[in-house]
Amino acid sequence: SAVISQKPSRDICQRGTSLTIQCQVDSQVTMMFWYRQQPGQSLTLIATANQGSEATYESGFVIDKFPISRPNLTFSTLTVSNMSPEDSSIYLCSVGLAQETQYFGPGTRLLVL
Amino acid sequence: GQQLNQSPQSMFIQEGEDVSMNCTSSSIFNTWLWYKQDPGEGPVLLIALYKAGELTSNGRLTAQFGITRKDSFLNISASIPSDVGIYFCAGPRSNAGNMLTFGGGTRLMVKP
Repeated sequence: SAVISQKPSRDICQRGTSLTIQCQVDSQVTMMFWYRQQPGQSLTLIATANQGSEATYESGFVIDKFPISRPNLTFSTLTVSNMSPEDSSIYLCSVGLAQETQYFGPGTRLLVL
Repeated sequence: GQQLNQSPQSMFIQEGEDVSMNCTSSSIFNTWLWYKQDPGEGPVLLIALYKAGELTSNGRLTAQFGITRKDSFLNISASIPSDVGIYFCAGPRSNAGNMLTFGGGTRLMVKP
């Protein structure tokens, strides 16, 4: 397994602003992922964060709205840009480990007013 | 594409009762994962299944990999209040390594 931390744990933001969420892992991992979980919903993959190259985005998510950095094998950031109330969600990072498992961080709870 | 259908969507049970939930797909999965998400937390991996017919336990939890490879089941025996949360099944996307597809979740509520 892995120990994953996220900052901030929660935030309330004004529409039109941007928020950067940090994800830190206690060991080097190849695969890191960012998910969105809208209220009462399941997890939706936003993108795979690739170390040393651009993130790979899922259909419906674009780099201009959700820029991602992955400077090394233990850290990644997700920015939610030009926020609107529809961006209010839980944002989760996860890491891919052996045998197709993923381990998740505690999540960042975002409320956009 | 691959979709995972979980049922029931929610359950409200009395403490001490046994719980059963399932996950089905029209596609074959070679791995089934079961996660639990406590309120205000990220999902935590409970059980991983890798072989058709496999039955694996983790304390009061038991999960089974369906023989057809298109379904999986999670049972909780003698439920307690801390079992409250959302249970998700997940499976790896075909030809996509570690990327997972998640079911819609089963929300469990336990009355003391």
